Amino acid sequence: EVEMVESGGGLAQPGGSLRLSCAASGFTFSNYWMSWVRQAPGKGLEWVAKIKPDGSENLHVESVKGRFTISRDNAKNSLYLQMNSLRVEDTAVYYCARYTSYHFDYWGQGTLVTVSS
Amino acid sequence: QSALTQPPSASGSPGQSVAISCTGTTSDVGGYNYVSWYQQHPGKAPKLMVFEVSKRPSGVPDRFSGSKSGNTASLTVSGLQADDEADYYCCSYAGGNYVFGTGTKVTVL
Repeated sequence: EVEMVESGGGLAQPGGSLRLSCAASGFTFSNYWMSWVRQAPGKGLEWVAKIKPDGSENLHVESVKGRFTISRDNAKNSLYLQMNSLRVEDTAVYYCARYTSYHFDYWGQGTLVTVSS
Repeated sequence: QSALTQPPSASGSPGQSVAISCTGTTSDVGGYNYVSWYQQHPGKAPKLMVFEVSKRPSGVPDRFSGSKSGNTASLTVSGLQADDEADYYCCSYAGGNYVFGTGTKVTVL
């Protein structure tokens, strides 16, 4: 059974940093593109970033470029999101999602990031 | 990249059908046959319901169907059931990036 479990969320101050992790199981992690998608409280979904199976290529949404970095460790079946220079508007539930053929077929349960002073 | 436009709400009685529209531009919905739809119950993760405009993942009932015309995609839920009450989001490939819709809350009356 495909499963993704996110961790690392919590409270951070504006300008601070957090590192999110996503532990994947039930599929050959190294064969798939992976993504992060976020959802601000009471709002819609927003794609954040994606990374190639071997980690050699990634892409981030314009609003987080230069502040967030997606990465992966295929030996540990894990996906990461390093978030620096956090802003209040980054407050959201962050979902790890498996990405295939231009859609997101499996999602984790999410981890809440709150940016507040 | 602006969010795709969906109606805020839609409703129907059990057994009826409801259609949800998703309007974008030639840079996203109109430019690619890569529109997907997600169902999200309160407090839960999104679930893939339709991909590549009209394909259903295994396990998704054929009551859910997708289509596209020009810059507008649509999801139709036929034979409404109580468990279909949820938020629905469209999503389109946009040349590297991905853009989601504003979301539609479906209520089963």
